[in-house]
This record gives sequence, structure tokens and C-alpha cells, in this order.
Amino acid sequence: AQTVTQSQPEMSVQEAETVTLSCTYDTSESDYYLFWYKQPPSRQMILVIRQEAYKQQNATENRFSVNFQKAAKSFSLKISDSQLGDAAMYFCAYRSFGVGGSNYKLTFGKGTLLTVNP
Amino acid sequence: NAGVTQTPKFQVLKTGQSMTLQCAQDMNHEYMSWYRQDPGMGLRLIHYSVGAGITDQGEVPNGYNVSRSTTEDFPLRLLSAAPSQTSVYFCASSYSGQGEFSGPNYGYTFGSGTRLTVV
Repeated sequence: AQTVTQSQPEMSVQEAETVTLSCTYDTSESDYYLFWYKQPPSRQMILVIRQEAYKQQNATENRFSVNFQKAAKSFSLKISDSQLGDAAMYFCAYRSFGVGGSNYKLTFGKGTLLTVNP
Repeated sequence: NAGVTQTPKFQVLKTGQSMTLQCAQDMNHEYMSWYRQDPGMGLRLIHYSVGAGITDQGEVPNGYNVSRSTTEDFPLRLLSAAPSQTSVYFCASSYSGQGEFSGPNYGYTFGSGTRLTVV
């Protein structure tokens, strides 16, 4: 079974600065998807970015980028030019690449609570 | 608007009471699932379904039942609520199959959550 570990329960960053959230995972599969989700106080789960393991290039979405190290099984999220609206709980998640049954499930880390200081 | 509709948003139950959390999606997603979120635990999978008539257990299924009679609906039933079931519950759906995840409809759509308190 796959596991996802987020070793930083809480992080803080100054507005306009850069912060990196860590995520490691354990899997025996060679192909899979990785996600970062944001959960603001509204409780809504918002997809921030995703990475396909078979792609070498790190995914980027505006101020959000990932550092995907497949051999190290590491998937960190970098937030540049942090804004007050980035304050939220961030979850790293894993999904198998295969089809059928339990391959579709998301396995989540325990989350990192990000505070943005003005 | 297309998406996942989850009801109710809040609920307080007494120990031993039963209730059903409703989840409906209008995106024709084959895959639907229920998660619970507890502080410091992330989201944990309760049950999931890959289509009408097909359900299976996730990581924490005890105390919960599900059924999937239509593609659109995936209700979660608590037969006899316990304080340990106090949590925030999320329903999530997605397309299934590798091809879908390569297109514009990748990813999961989450409901807005249900905060359940069992006293």
C-alpha cells in the first residue's frame, strides 16, 4: 500500500516571500499521479497542481511549482510571492496510474498548515 | 453548476442515532468516494464505488454503509452513530481510466463537506 508523509505540520511565511512544503511518499509502482490540494478555512478542497510520474518536467501553475524527485520519492511544493490568500491547509496526495478498483483512490498525507504573515 | 453536491453541511447526532449523508454529482463520473477528515490525520478513505452496483471498502469502513444504485448518487449511511464518528466528511468523484486523466477533465471534484458531531 502507498503512504504519503508530510513532515511539517505547520509552516509560516512572510507575505511576498517563498515557502516550500515537503512531501515524501512510498510506493512500489513506477507510474502514478501526485497532487497538491489546498484547503482554506472554507473547507473546500482545491486542486493546486498535479504531476504525472512519467513526466520528467516539473509541473508549474503560476506561483506554484513542484520539485519532483522520483528516485527519492519526494514531491515538494514551492509557493512564490506568497499572498495572504495562500494561507490554508495543504495536502499532498497520491493516485495510482492503473485502471480499475482501488487504483482510483487518493491517498493523502496528514497536511501542512500554512500561515502567511503580513 | 456542475459539481458534487453534498448535504447536509452540518449535523449533530446523538449516540445511537442513524443518518444518511447525501452525495450527488452531475458530471457522469464513474468513480465516487467518501473520506473523513480528522485533525492531524489528513483525509482517510471510507468507501468507494467504480460504478452503479459496485462498492468497496476503503481504509476506515467500520460503522459506515454505502450503496450505489445510480451513477449520480452515492449516499453514506451511519447505522448507529458513535462519538468516534465525529468528523468532517467529504464526497469526491472523478472520471476513471487512464485516458480521462490525460485530458481536461482530470482530477477529482470534492463536495463542500459535512461537519458531523456525535454527542
